[in-house]
Amino acid sequence: AQSVTQLDSQVPVFEEAPVELRCNYSSSVSVYLFWYVQYPNQGLQLLLKYLSGSTLVKGINGFEAEFNKSQTSFHLRKPSVHISDTAEYFCAVSAPQRDDKIIFGKGTRLHILP
Amino acid sequence: NAGVTQTPKFRILKIGQSMTLQCTQDMNHNYMYWYRQDPGMGLKLIYYSVGAGITDKGEVPNGYNVSRSTTEDFPLRLELAAPSQTSVYFCASRGFSGGDTQYFGPGTRLTVL
Repeated sequence: AQSVTQLDSQVPVFEEAPVELRCNYSSSVSVYLFWYVQYPNQGLQLLLKYLSGSTLVKGINGFEAEFNKSQTSFHLRKPSVHISDTAEYFCAVSAPQRDDKIIFGKGTRLHILP
Repeated sequence: NAGVTQTPKFRILKIGQSMTLQCTQDMNHNYMYWYRQDPGMGLKLIYYSVGAGITDKGEVPNGYNVSRSTTEDFPLRLELAAPSQTSVYFCASRGFSGGDTQYFGPGTRLTVL
């Protein structure tokens, strides 16, 4: 079955500094990959997704992620963070050739320091 | 469109009580999902459905039941509530393609005492 690992439970970063949130996945078949964001006391909303094609995917709010098949990674990056980026970020994987499940990682809490 | 709606927003149950968490979507999505979210554990898939009349187990189905009689509704039933079921529950839906975005409801915060 497919699985996803988010390597950092919390990431502190100064405002206007760059950030990378790491995600690795495991699957024996082709996957789709997603990053979702959860602001405090809200549901999740999609930041970006990789289905096929270009390995660099751009999303909302200035975020981007790069799919690396050889490293089985899908790390999320932003060149300059803002206080409003304070949230929890979830990486998710699906393997449509196998089943219709979408499996989430444990999340990474992004703390923006003033 | 209201998107995905969940009721109630909050609920406190006593051990052994039963309840149904309601989920409705108005996007005509075939696929619907129930997750629970516990601190530091991310989202765990409880059950999902690929269409009316079809449901399947996720990662943590024990203690829960679901039904899908219509495209719009996907209720989650807790028969004998236990403290381990204290959590925040999210319902989500998506379109037919595996790459379609999942849309999430606002969540139900359940406490079992």
